[in-house]
Amino acid sequence: KQEVTQIPAALSVPEGENLVLNCSFTDSAIYNLQWFRQDPGKGLTSLLLIQSSQREQTSGRLNASLDKSSGRSTLYIAASQPGDSATYLCAVSEWTYKYIFGTGTRLKVLA
Amino acid sequence: DAEITQSPRHKITETGRQVTLACHQTWNHNNMFWYRQDLGHGLRLIHYSYGVQDTNKGEVSDGYSVSRSNTEDLPLTLESAASSQTSVYFCASSDSGTNTEAFFGQGTRLTVV
Repeated sequence: KQEVTQIPAALSVPEGENLVLNCSFTDSAIYNLQWFRQDPGKGLTSLLLIQSSQREQTSGRLNASLDKSSGRSTLYIAASQPGDSATYLCAVSEWTYKYIFGTGTRLKVLA
Repeated sequence: DAEITQSPRHKITETGRQVTLACHQTWNHNNMFWYRQDLGHGLRLIHYSYGVQDTNKGEVSDGYSVSRSNTEDLPLTLESAASSQTSVYFCASSDSGTNTEAFFGQGTRLTVV
């Protein structure tokens, strides 16, 4: 059974820092991996999708990498800002298109 | 712009009542999903559908049902609401093929009293 783990569970950093969020999964036979952002009381916003044949994806200050063989993905946030404060969720999909989620990393960026 | 909408956003109901949560997407996606989000458990899959007339059980399907009569809608029904079903419910949709990016609704906060 696929399990997704995110470390750390919570992170507090000063504004301007570059930071890395980690995601690991137990079964490397994934189809895609997607990173989401969730603000308190809100829905999930898609940040980046990495297809299984890709190694990384970039969007603005965000860069996500995928290493299927080791069961790991990282989300790199450059020059963090207070507006980046949110919970970041990693999810993997298998060939069934179902997504299995980690429990998230709660990020706080201090001004 | 395409979107996925849920209604109602908030609902309070009594134990034993039947409740239906609506989900409507304009992406024309084949795949639709219902998740619940609870502290300490993250998002867990309730039911999902790959197309019209297709429905499948997820990991926490007991006490829930769905039906898919068209591409756009996947309503979630709680047959007899229980306090354990107090949660935030999210609907999502995605396409098939290689780009399976999932899009989520804003959620429905359900309280069963």
